[in-house]
Amino acid sequence: SAVISQKPSRDICQRGTSLTIQCQVDSQVTMMFWYRQQPGQSLTLIATANQGSEATYESGFVIDKFPISRPNLTFSTLTVSNMSPEDSSIYLCSESPTGTDTQYFGPGTRLTVL
Amino acid sequence: GENVEQHPSTLSVQEGDSAVIKCTYSDSASNYFPWYKQELGKGPQLIIDIRSNVGEKKDQRIAVTLNKTAKHFSLHITETQPEDSAVYFCAANAGGTSYGKLTFGQGTILTVHP
Repeated sequence: SAVISQKPSRDICQRGTSLTIQCQVDSQVTMMFWYRQQPGQSLTLIATANQGSEATYESGFVIDKFPISRPNLTFSTLTVSNMSPEDSSIYLCSESPTGTDTQYFGPGTRLTVL
Repeated sequence: GENVEQHPSTLSVQEGDSAVIKCTYSDSASNYFPWYKQELGKGPQLIIDIRSNVGEKKDQRIAVTLNKTAKHFSLHITETQPEDSAVYFCAANAGGTSYGKLTFGQGTILTVHP
């Protein structure tokens, strides 16, 4: 599997601000995904990051709140906009090697909003 | 869409005992079922997966079984060790046009007592 890194690993932010999370994969992959894991909860898919086109969002998640970029096959960003304490979560990116359903996860970004 | 139910939510065993975690899924088109282990402060790690064309898969102390008719699959860990203590998540893919998307179960907190 590819090596996946995320930046920052954790952050504490003020209400109303925005944070951009970076996800870097060490090899070219077709599929990249962004998940949210609220405290003590399971993983919920936010969106599929499509290279060269708009992300595909899941029900309950909108582009204005979670804009995503995917400028190439190894990098993606997720922005959490106009944050509130309810956005405090772990945000995870994952990658899926071409032609497979298998997903490998990054270490996550632990976000606390005050 | 797909719905995945996971039981139990917590599981406590003595070192050396076996542990079994069960999941059910709703989408009969699902054909890929991974299991992840998440340690505190880390991202989920893929530990084993199974596809719908097989009924059982083993990897050392870990095995997964799949019953397509009943739409359930289980994780079996034998000879448990304290380092097996973690949160375990099952998942199922979405068939049809939702290739690559995973729906996760609620998670099981496994504690192995020395």
